[in-house]
Amino acid sequence: LAKTTQPISMDSYEGQEVNITCSHNNIATNDYITWYQQFPSQGPRFIIQGYKTKVTNEVASLFIPADRKSSTLSLPRVSLSDTAVYYCLVGFRRDNAGNMLTFGGGTRLMVKP
Amino acid sequence: EAGVAQSPRYKIIEKRQSVAFWCNPISGHATLYWYQQILGQGPKLLIQFQNNGVVDDSQLPKDRFSAERLKGVDSTLKIQPAKLEDSAVYLCASSLETGFVDEQYFGPGTRLTVT
Repeated sequence: LAKTTQPISMDSYEGQEVNITCSHNNIATNDYITWYQQFPSQGPRFIIQGYKTKVTNEVASLFIPADRKSSTLSLPRVSLSDTAVYYCLVGFRRDNAGNMLTFGGGTRLMVKP
Repeated sequence: EAGVAQSPRYKIIEKRQSVAFWCNPISGHATLYWYQQILGQGPKLLIQFQNNGVVDDSQLPKDRFSAERLKGVDSTLKIQPAKLEDSAVYLCASSLETGFVDEQYFGPGTRLTVT
């Protein structure tokens, strides 16, 4: 399984763009990169997933360089409600056997007024 | 669409007692996961079911933990006997087989305290 490394914590202010980088040096060819968000007392929630280059949805963007050894989750104009733990996962889908993903320690984002 | 349901939400037991958690996944989701999340850590996968078959239980402490998924729908996770270090939130998740790395939908979790 690919091991991921992310900052333990980050602080930001409302209205700023936040970029959280995840390192995954031993990512395999079949691996996808997925980010989840977790609020206190809730289960994680899927944010975005990508394989290469850039992926954008209504809440975030995911930037993946050509070598795929890292990825950056970008949250535009954060608000207080974006205060949460963000997890970077790297894994693949095994044929007929579901996902192979491992959660790391995550990055605790604190958004201040 | 109804989400993943779990019960109970909270449970307090003494060490050496037994406890069971229940999970009802999103309708039509073939894959079901049980995770253990200790305070301050990321979720750790305990067991993964594909329909009613076990795909991965490599991190399940089988001497005390057991899980089943009858008829490929609901699932129960049991701990017997519980230890102090089992205090954690137990999360259930489900996913729909789509051909990509599937988005997992998590339930609210069951917070277990072992005293």
